Amino acid sequence: GESVGLHLPTLSVQEGDNSIINCAYSNSASDYFIWYKQESGKGPQFIIDIRSNMDKRQGQRVTVLLNKTVKHLSLQIAATQPGDSAVYFCAENWDNYGQNFVFGPGTRLSVLP
Amino acid sequence: EAGVTQSPTHLIKTRGQQATLRCSPISGHTSVYWYQQALGLGLQFLLWYDEGEERNRGNFPPRFSGRQFPNYSSELNVNALELEDSALYLCASSPRGAGEETQYFGPGTRLLVL
Repeated sequence: GESVGLHLPTLSVQEGDNSIINCAYSNSASDYFIWYKQESGKGPQFIIDIRSNMDKRQGQRVTVLLNKTVKHLSLQIAATQPGDSAVYFCAENWDNYGQNFVFGPGTRLSVLP
Repeated sequence: EAGVTQSPTHLIKTRGQQATLRCSPISGHTSVYWYQQALGLGLQFLLWYDEGEERNRGNFPPRFSGRQFPNYSSELNVNALELEDSALYLCASSPRGAGEETQYFGPGTRLLVL
C-alpha cells in the first residue's frame, strides 16, 4: 500500500498495551480539533473530536486530551490492537467560516505482536 | 449509506497536461473540500466549495481550480501539470459549510506526473 510519509515519527507498541500519540497545534485561537486515522491506501478516517471548552473526551477505546495552555493534544488508545496500526494525525480548525482545517504531519503507530 | 467517493483511483499524466479529479460527497452534505497530500508532507488545504460556490482556497496557484455541481459533486482541475503535483488528492465532505463540522474523507486519487 501507499505510504503517506517516509519520515514520520513512529510509535511502536506491544499489542494489548496503551498508546499515546501527541500533537502540538499552532493556533491558540483554534477551537475545534479532530483526530484522524489513515491506513495504507485509504483516506483519513474520523476517530474523535473535541471542542476547546473541554479538556477531555472519551470514545470507544480512545480518549482525547486537550491542554490549551501549552497547545497540546493527545490521543490515547486503550488495549492497542493490530488493526490500530496506521498513521494518526490531528487537525485544528482556526477559521470557523473558512473551514480551514490545518493538519499535523502525523505519527505512524506500529503494533507489535 | 455510501461514503465519499472519488474517481479515478489512479491517474498518470505528463508535464504540461491537465488532470480532472472527481468527488461525490455523502448524501445530504453540501460542502466539499479538496486536499493535497504529497509524500512526506501533511494534508494541505486546496479548496472549499459549498452550495455551488468556492468559499475558500488554500495557498496554491490558480492552475488549481474546481467547481461544484448542483448535485454537490465536485471536480478538481489541475492545469499545466508539474512534477511536484504528484500526490494523493483527497476530497472530504461535511453537512454544511459554516461552523465546526467534521469532514469525512474519500479514498483519494493518486496523481502521478511524469
